[in-house]
Amino acid sequence: DTAVSQTPKYLVTQMGNDKSIKCEQNLGHDTMYWYKQDSKKFLKIMFSYNNKELIINETVPNRFSPKSPDKAHLNLHINSLELGDSAVYFCASSSRQGGDIQYFGAGTRLSVL
Amino acid sequence: AQSVSQHNHHVILSEAASLELGCNYSYGGTVNLFWYVQYPGQHLQLLLKYFSGDPLVKGIKGFEAEFIKSKFSFNLRKPSVQWSDTAEYFCAVMNSGGYQKVTFGTGTKLQVIP
Repeated sequence: DTAVSQTPKYLVTQMGNDKSIKCEQNLGHDTMYWYKQDSKKFLKIMFSYNNKELIINETVPNRFSPKSPDKAHLNLHINSLELGDSAVYFCASSSRQGGDIQYFGAGTRLSVL
Repeated sequence: AQSVSQHNHHVILSEAASLELGCNYSYGGTVNLFWYVQYPGQHLQLLLKYFSGDPLVKGIKGFEAEFIKSKFSFNLRKPSVQWSDTAEYFCAVMNSGGYQKVTFGTGTKLQVIP
């Protein structure tokens, strides 16, 4: 059983389109994250939700909108995709009881053409 | 604001060589420190962590790291690397109070030559 699962694994789309990436964790964690990893492997936090509440919102264009229907899910919707959005997006989850260790999904490689 | 610096961007070693990857952080309060590893084509996974207690922590696969509070450092070490250690290594810091925001360093690419 995959602890943190993301779909899709690959996403190729045209500029201007709207797309969503889904994330689910079955670890019982109360905090979930979205990270963006660029071509140089730099990993930057985008958002964090704790018990469905947004707690971290870094400087991210408002074309990116996270949604957490429940604490096991954190989806990322991106409007009007741009070339610079091409990256690998990682979902992660953690909990205080789990020692704040982040468990990452396999990543979604987004290519905007 | 917290930040993390990894000064070695790309390290190339022969098998059996010793490894030390530098990590320095800046944050005024108490921190939790982590090293994560990303093998080629895979997701990040925890290598080791420091929360409190013994500043020398041991992780998986023979890795260890030492927290030196006075130097704001948390360097990763391994006495003898293997080809399978080829990966990207990320140092991360989290403020131990308040929200669980984790800041990652820029990563160090380790290439081990057989």
